[in-house]
Amino acid sequence: AQKVTQAQTEISVVEKEDVTLDCVYETRDTTYYLFWYKQPPSGELVFLIRRNSFDEQNEISGRYSWNFQKSTSSFNFTITASQVVDSAVYFCALSEVNEYSGAGSYQLTFGKGTKLSVIP
Amino acid sequence: DTGVSQDPRHKITKRGQNVTFRCDPISEHNRLYWYRQTLGQGPEFLTYFQNEAQLEKSRLLSNRFSAERPKGSFSTLEIQRTEQGDSAMYLCASSLMIGHNEQFFGPGTRLTVL
Repeated sequence: AQKVTQAQTEISVVEKEDVTLDCVYETRDTTYYLFWYKQPPSGELVFLIRRNSFDEQNEISGRYSWNFQKSTSSFNFTITASQVVDSAVYFCALSEVNEYSGAGSYQLTFGKGTKLSVIP
Repeated sequence: DTGVSQDPRHKITKRGQNVTFRCDPISEHNRLYWYRQTLGQGPEFLTYFQNEAQLEKSRLLSNRFSAERPKGSFSTLEIQRTEQGDSAMYLCASSLMIGHNEQFFGPGTRLTVL
C-alpha cells in the first residue's frame, strides 16, 4: 500500500530563514506522481507542484524548490527567505499508476502535513 | 470565479439526520473527487468520478455514505444517519481527465454532528 510520511509535525522559523519540509513515500509501483499542496489558515488547499517518478530533476520556482531523490524515496520542499505569508500547513501527496493498464485510481494519498509558522 | 465551489460551507446537524453536500467542479474538468479531512490529518480519499461514472467507491467510509454525479457536472455527497464521528471537513476536487493531473480543491464543507 502506498504511504506518505511527513515526520515534521510543526516547524517555526524566523522570517527570512530558509526551511526544508521533508516528505518520504512508500510505493510498490515504479510509475507514480508526487505532489505538494499548501493549506493556509483560510483552509483551501492550493496546488504547488506535481512531479512524475521518471523526472528526478530538481525544480525551482521563485523562492520554492523541490528535491526529488528516488534512491531515498524522498521529495523534500525548501522555502528560501521565508515570509510570514508562507505560514500554512504543507502536504505531500502520492498518486500511483497501474503498471499494466497505465491507468490508476488517481486518488491522492496525503501525508499528515507539516505546519509551518514564520515569525516576523 | 471559475474555481471549485462547495455548498454549504458549514453544516451543523443532529446525530441521526441525513445531510447532503454539493460540489461544482471547474467547468472543463471531467474528474471529480471527494475527500474527508479531520483535524490534524491530511485529506483522506473517499471516491471519484470520471464524467458521470463513479470509478472508485471502495473507500467510502460506510454504506451510509453515497455520492452521485448524474449529468457529469456537479456532484453530491450524502451521509445518512449521521454520527458524531462524521464531523469533519469534506473536500471536493476536480481535474482534467488526462493522466495524473493536479487536482484543484474547493473550500470544503465543515460538518459538525451534535
